[in-house]
Amino acid sequence: DTAVSQTPKYLVTQMGNDKSIKCEQNLGHDTMYWYKQDSKKFLKIMFSYNNKELIINETVPNRFSPKSPDKAHLNLHINSLELGDSAVYFCASFGADQANYGYTFGSGTRLTVV
Amino acid sequence: AQSVTQLDSQVPVFEEAPVELRCNYSSSVSVYLFWYVQYPNQGLQLLLKYLSGSTLVKGINGFEAEFNKSQTSFHLRKPSVHISDTAEYFCAVKGSGSRLTFGEGTQLTVNP
Repeated sequence: DTAVSQTPKYLVTQMGNDKSIKCEQNLGHDTMYWYKQDSKKFLKIMFSYNNKELIINETVPNRFSPKSPDKAHLNLHINSLELGDSAVYFCASFGADQANYGYTFGSGTRLTVV
Repeated sequence: AQSVTQLDSQVPVFEEAPVELRCNYSSSVSVYLFWYVQYPNQGLQLLLKYLSGSTLVKGINGFEAEFNKSQTSFHLRKPSVHISDTAEYFCAVKGSGSRLTFGEGTQLTVNP
């Protein structure tokens, strides 16, 4: 039973299209994140939600819009895709209980814009 | 604000040799520190974490790290590496709030 699951795992699409990536966690965590990993492997935070409320919004183009329908889900919608959006996108959740304090990451979504 | 510097972008070693991957951080508040491993085309797996207590932290796969507050470092070590340890390793820091900031990663390559 995957703790943080992302779909799809791979996404190939043309420039100008609109696409969504979905993320779900079954850990009961209140906080979820989207990270972008570029071609040099650098991991940069994009957004964070705490119990459906946006708490971190980095300098990300407006074409990227996160949506959290409930605290177990955080989706990422991208409009008008560009070549530079090609990257691996990771969803994560954060738990603060003493026994399992820390972050759990999904397996990533590799987005290729052609 | 917090930041992380991984001092080596690439570390090549021979199998069964010891290895140290270096990580320095900066933060104006107390921090929690993490090391993650990313195998090719896979996600991030937690190796170990420092939250409090003993400064020597043991993790999975025989890795350990030592938190040094005076030197603001959290170096990762393994006494004898295997081919299967070849991967990208990320040091990360959490300060106040829930933001996790990553270093730029160190590619460990274990050669036969």
